[in-house]
Amino acid sequence: DIQMTQSPSTLAASVGDRVTITCRASQSIRSWLAWYQQKPGKAPKTLIYKASILENGVPSRFSASGSGTQFTLTISSLQPDDFATYYCQHYNGDPWTFGQGTKVEIK
Amino acid sequence: EVRLLQSGAEVKKPGESLNISCQTSGYTFNTWWIGWVRQMPGKGLEWMGVIFPGDSQTRYNPSFRGQVTISVDTSISTAYLQWTSLKASDTAMYYCARPSADQHFDYWGQGTLVTVSS
Repeated sequence: DIQMTQSPSTLAASVGDRVTITCRASQSIRSWLAWYQQKPGKAPKTLIYKASILENGVPSRFSASGSGTQFTLTISSLQPDDFATYYCQHYNGDPWTFGQGTKVEIK
Repeated sequence: EVRLLQSGAEVKKPGESLNISCQTSGYTFNTWWIGWVRQMPGKGLEWMGVIFPGDSQTRYNPSFRGQVTISVDTSISTAYLQWTSLKASDTAMYYCARPSADQHFDYWGQGTLVTVSS
């Protein structure tokens, strides 16, 4: 199975901060990577697919890049609604696997 | 509008069977894969498997193969996740989700909490 490793596991930041989360795959997944946001007690919400494409309706302060084994999700100016847990997930062959999550907390 | 509506929370005893459902609407059910994701308490997301309703082709995460069964009823555009003998370790939130054309999950159900306790 392809292992997905996110860093950091927890991140404390303030409103207005630029935030970057990294996701590393144990082998190349080309660009078959998605990012999801999850708030407590809620279903995940899809933010990004194919490594860098914003899902419809996702604010432009979210961006992502990468290919192969290294990927990043960036929030350019953190908003109160962005405090949540973020997961990367590959879909380059079965089984699809998720990273362990990055919790973005209020500093 | 695409919607995935999951069945309500369940409380079961070890050894019991269970079927949870995901009723879909707003798209042609038979032509899109649909899958299930587990989230154990306080933990991350795990891909369990997907099914193509058009021909019932099913792909399981090896970690879940033999532990659960994914099925569909195309007449009511509904997907199911089934257990024949629940364990306490099956306690989790289960989400159905629809893979998009490029296979990332683009739509999610609201989740079904399954609690297994004696």
